[in-house]
Amino acid sequence: EPEVTQTPSHQVTQMGQEVILRCVPISNHLYFYWYRQILGQKVEFLVSFYNNEISEKSEIFDDQFSVERPDGSNFTLKIRSTKLEDSAMYFCASSALRPATGELFFGEGSRLTVL
Amino acid sequence: QKEVEQNSGPLSVPEGAIASLNCTYSDRGSQSFFWYRQYSGKSPELIMSIYSNGDKEDGRFTAQLNKASQYVSLLIRDSQPSDSATYLCAVAGGGGGADGLTFGKGTHLIIQP
Repeated sequence: EPEVTQTPSHQVTQMGQEVILRCVPISNHLYFYWYRQILGQKVEFLVSFYNNEISEKSEIFDDQFSVERPDGSNFTLKIRSTKLEDSAMYFCASSALRPATGELFFGEGSRLTVL
Repeated sequence: QKEVEQNSGPLSVPEGAIASLNCTYSDRGSQSFFWYRQYSGKSPELIMSIYSNGDKEDGRFTAQLNKASQYVSLLIRDSQPSDSATYLCAVAGGGGGADGLTFGKGTHLIIQP
């Protein structure tokens, strides 16, 4: 069964460092997303990406964050100058249709720990 | 701002009984509604989706939607210990944008053997 894959599964970084989280969405999906979940809190939408550009972003997704689809398969989230409060599980997701009409499939997540 | 509210629980249900999970949402323009299951330390896994008023059944799961009351529920029949998890209600569409799912905090369900 097709699945969304994410790397790394866990990354530890020092405050102020840059981090890149990688995702390979399901191959025939057109919409890609990043969500995050701080420990013990709810899953929060960060950004959606379609047709090689950001489709929608939340208030959380400020200038510290960027996304890119550098080739036909990878989808990356870059966090510049990490802060302690960026520590969270980051989930990549993909869908064939927009969420209003389609279903999201999540990867297993990348746990980011900022020290 | 869209809000999705769930009772955090824990909700404890005996094995074999019906578990009933509830969710309310604030944005009347919301179009799509989802239930995800999340085991501790794992990613959300889609259980059910529902788009129109009424009931939708899939195996032991039934989702119910009442847009007038802005209420979504999930029934799990013949509950099994493997159903023990956190159940997340998620909503899409409406004035807050079409792309991002808004999640509730989840209800922690415990099925007692």
